[in-house]
Amino acid sequence: DAGVIQSPRHEVTEMGQEVTLRCKPISGHNSLFWYRQTMMRGLELLIYFNNNVPIDDSGMPEDRFSAKMPNASFSTLKIQPSEPRDSAVYFCASSLGRGYNEQFFGPGTRLTVL
Amino acid sequence: DAKTTQPPSMDCAEGRAANLPCNHSTISGNEYVYWYRQIHSQGPQYIIHGLKNNETNEMASLIITEDRKSSTLILPHATLRDTAVYYCIVRVISGGSQGNLIFGKGTKLSVKP
Repeated sequence: DAGVIQSPRHEVTEMGQEVTLRCKPISGHNSLFWYRQTMMRGLELLIYFNNNVPIDDSGMPEDRFSAKMPNASFSTLKIQPSEPRDSAVYFCASSLGRGYNEQFFGPGTRLTVL
Repeated sequence: DAKTTQPPSMDCAEGRAANLPCNHSTISGNEYVYWYRQIHSQGPQYIIHGLKNNETNEMASLIITEDRKSSTLILPHATLRDTAVYYCIVRVISGGSQGNLIFGKGTKLSVKP
């Protein structure tokens, strides 16, 4: 199994540009999570999907952030316009079902906004 | 979700058992104890979870006190590859909802040769 796949692994962009991060969950998993990790704030949950439907987006910092899951095998996290304070590592994770099942994390995308 | 308290760092000699403590004195009856770890530059990795009984898997053992106010993660024979930040998380499991994983600062475990 390839695990959770994220792309790109590294992204450097300039302030004001649109950034799109991509995630392919593990096949058969029906829950998907987007997290952000910074030194200051640690690892934070941004949004959680179940069966392609957003269930909890209370962690999305502001309207510049949006996430979609058009099908069970693909999700995107978009930042428009990007700002330097968005610089972080963004992780995608997936799990099977709801409840207490373990979450499998991808390798992350390191975003740098200049 | 209840909060957890972990020491910021610990050292362990290679080959010895690593015992990582976690306090969760305000844990509720429907909250599980989860452990994840994050090796440098990688995504977090699930280790183990439990409610009130001790649990063991191929990676570790989880010992939860009878009053459930604290727990210990045990890596029986630590290797250099176990050097990581270890997160103890308590999480509500109720009906159809999936309690969020709320990561604290964790314990940075350094396994030394």
